[in-house]
Amino acid sequence: QVQLVQSGAEVKKPGASVKVSCKASGYTFTGYYMHWVRQAPGQGLEWMGWINPNSGGTNYAQKFQGRVTMTRDTSISTAYMELRSLRSDDTAMYYCARDPGHYCTSTGCYWSFDFWGQGTLVTVSS
Amino acid sequence: QSALTQPASVSGSPGQSITISCTGTSSDVGGYNYVCWYQQHPGKAPKLMIYEVTNRPSGVSSRFSGSKSGNTASLTISGLQAEDEADYYCSSYTSRSTGVLFGGGTKLTVL
Repeated sequence: QVQLVQSGAEVKKPGASVKVSCKASGYTFTGYYMHWVRQAPGQGLEWMGWINPNSGGTNYAQKFQGRVTMTRDTSISTAYMELRSLRSDDTAMYYCARDPGHYCTSTGCYWSFDFWGQGTLVTVSS
Repeated sequence: QSALTQPASVSGSPGQSITISCTGTSSDVGGYNYVCWYQQHPGKAPKLMIYEVTNRPSGVSSRFSGSKSGNTASLTISGLQAEDEADYYCSSYTSRSTGVLFGGGTKLTVL
């Protein structure tokens, strides 16, 4: 069965960095894009970006450009999301989510997420 | 980019049917038959309930159905049950970005 297991909760000070891992099992890791979505307390879902585990190619939401890096280690079927220069408003639950298959045109895309990690709470506080 | 518009809250009694709307534009919801819906219980990760407007993943109850008319997609839950109380999010194809477009979310209360 497909599982995405994320690393544990983190507490960071403003200005620090955090790196969250997402270990996949039960399917071919390199066959499916992996996305990262976050959710601030009491707020909605916010997409951060994706990584193609096969090629390592990435696409980040404009809001996070320059502050986020998504990587993967195919030898251990694990995706990573690093967020730098943390601020208090980065306090959120961070999820990895698998894309079962997407549709893209020259200008846009449709993505859905069939499996999600359990979430990693990142708290940014001085 | 602007989120898709969902009502902040809806409610219904057990056994009733409710509909949650998700309104966009011709550049997203109205442009293609690519809309999905997620259910999120408190403290849990979202769960895919509907994809490509009308399709249910394996294991999702047939009480959940999706539809679309023009720039508005809808999620209908029939035979409402207490366990359906959750937040629901829509997501759609968008021609304005290669990223993911979410709705703001709707809190469903089962009275």
